[in-house]
Parts: sequence; structure tokens; C-alpha cells
Amino acid sequence: DAKTTQPPSMDCAEGRAANLPCNHSTISGNEYVYWYRQIHSQGPQYIIHGLKNNETNEMASLIITEDRKSSTLILPHATLRDTAVYYCIVQGAQKLVFGQGTRLTINP
Amino acid sequence: GAGVSQSPSNKVTEKGKDVELRCDPISGHTALYWYRQSLGQGLEFLIYFQGNSAPDKSGLPSDRFSAERTGGSVSTLTIQRTQQEDSAVYLCASRLTSGLYTGELFFGEGSRLTVL
Repeated sequence: DAKTTQPPSMDCAEGRAANLPCNHSTISGNEYVYWYRQIHSQGPQYIIHGLKNNETNEMASLIITEDRKSSTLILPHATLRDTAVYYCIVQGAQKLVFGQGTRLTINP
Repeated sequence: GAGVSQSPSNKVTEKGKDVELRCDPISGHTALYWYRQSLGQGLEFLIYFQGNSAPDKSGLPSDRFSAERTGGSVSTLTIQRTQQEDSAVYLCASRLTSGLYTGELFFGEGSRLTVL
């Protein structure tokens, strides 16, 4: 079973920040939070990951709560090309189980 | 190429036939995963190979499904006596794991299987 829960769908206006939540209340101390996204008919693509500190790269920011039981992926200025299914997974040195993800739709 | 390569990209077969799907992971990646994605659904874990350890087969849906990884590199997923419900995109992913470091997954573009 997946160790994460995400809302099934979200909408965001183009140019605004998209904030995608993820709950992972059973995360272990040595497990990372990883985010991937899947644009229609393509293989999933890595976005960002973190352990306990907030992280930022050229694609997104990741905010992890102090207790590590939840996180938020932030796309600061969403574009139409960010429309995709976003997966949050807990990743350690074992099999990786994906949940259903959040289908994010960016509206013009 | 530098990425994960899967073949064939599309496969149409008749019910009852056997099919083989191939995955070439990124060179040096020690972990390899197979997932299945039915239309409009999420990624369903099938099997996981890590180095020379016995694979984790806990996600294989029936004994018609099997997979092997030869020489720690190329992997083949075999589906025997295919059924219509096997129709899906089969995704392969690999990642580098070394000690406590576990890198991100790199996915191939998938093999789309259609069973008539």
C-alpha cells in the first residue's frame, strides 16, 4: 500500500502558484519525500525530493513540516504545461509504491 | 542513449499468446522496477530488483507474470497466456542506490500492450 495520501484533483490559474499537499504520517526517519509528475502518455519525471529541510530547484519548491508527516509541492508560477498528474512518494531503499496522485489542471 | 529504454513501445497481441517486454536501465543503476498503468489509473507496482538480492515479486498479479534481470542490467517482463485485462502501459524505472544513498527514479516511456 502507498504510504502517502493526496487529493485526487486540483485546479490552478495560469501564472499563479500551485500548492499540492501530501500526507505521509507513517514516514520513517531515513525515508525521503520524492515528487514526480506524469504528463499525459509520458513516463513519470522526477521533480524534487527532501528529507527534512525545505528544498528548491529550478522546477519547484518543497516544504516539509517539522514533524515530517506532510509536505507541500509548490510550483511558483504555473503554466499550461504544468498540467499533469503529480505523485508524492516516500522513498527509501526498498520497493516504491505510488498512490493515485493529484491531477493538476492549469487553467488559462 | 542515456535514459531508460523500453521495447517494444507498442504491442498488440491476441488473447492467450505470450509476450515479452524489455527494459534497458541506465548503466550502473542497481535498482530496477516494473510498474503497470491501466488507462486513467495510477502506477501499480509489479516487481523490484535490487543488485544481486532476490527480487521483490509481491506486486505481480498472477503466476502468468514473471520477470528476470540478467547480469544486473537488462530486464524482461514476461506475461503468459495474456488476457484482455492485461492491456495497459508497462513502465520500467531504474535508480542508483549506493549505501544509504537512494537516487530518483528514471522512467522509460513504457510499453503499451493491447490484448485483443
